[in-house]
Amino acid sequence: GQQLNQSPQSMFIQEGEDVSMNCTSSSIFNTWLWYKQEPGEGPVLLIALYKAGELTSNGRLTAQFGITRKDSFLNISASIPSDVGIYFCAGQLKAQGGSEKLVFGKGTKLTVNP
Amino acid sequence: KAGVTQTPRYLIKTRGQQVTLSCSPISGHRSVSWYQQTPGQGLQFLFEYFSETQRNKGNFPGRFSGRQFSNSRSEMNVSTLELGDSALYLCASSVKDMGFTPLHFGNGTRLTVT
Repeated sequence: GQQLNQSPQSMFIQEGEDVSMNCTSSSIFNTWLWYKQEPGEGPVLLIALYKAGELTSNGRLTAQFGITRKDSFLNISASIPSDVGIYFCAGQLKAQGGSEKLVFGKGTKLTVNP
Repeated sequence: KAGVTQTPRYLIKTRGQQVTLSCSPISGHRSVSWYQQTPGQGLQFLFEYFSETQRNKGNFPGRFSGRQFSNSRSEMNVSTLELGDSALYLCASSVKDMGFTPLHFGNGTRLTVT
């Protein structure tokens, strides 16, 4: 089945540093999304990307939908302690009857040291 | 606007029992999806409902089932529970007026099977 390879698995950084994580796949996706999950909560949508090559920002977060439609990256600039959490990429496959199925990466666990 | 609401937040069940989890989507959202999250497998798609019809199903045994009501609320049921069913079960809803719309997750139900 479809798989997303997300890297790195974990990151330990100092407050103020920039962060970069990415997802790759052998499958083509129509949409890429990035979510953040904190302990005891569900994933929260950060950024949605709908077109190949699209570069989108949300505050200190920037994400891009790869030209090949098989990859995406997420950058966080000037990290702060509240950025701590697990970041997931998710790809939406070509719709079949309007299906909403997403394939998720295994996540990148981010730790920010003050 | 209230988010996706899942009840209960925590459940402890014994092997062989069955369980029903409930999800109330964001008002106006007609698509409801269910995901299982475990440390080993990450987020795995269970099924998706739209207008009371199951439109897509993941690779889970028939013990996992769901339904959606006319008010878009959804329930999922797991029968004959196994230890490996211990997981965080997440419900997500989307508007789904046309094309793909991002999923918004609830905080999940933590199921522990003993």
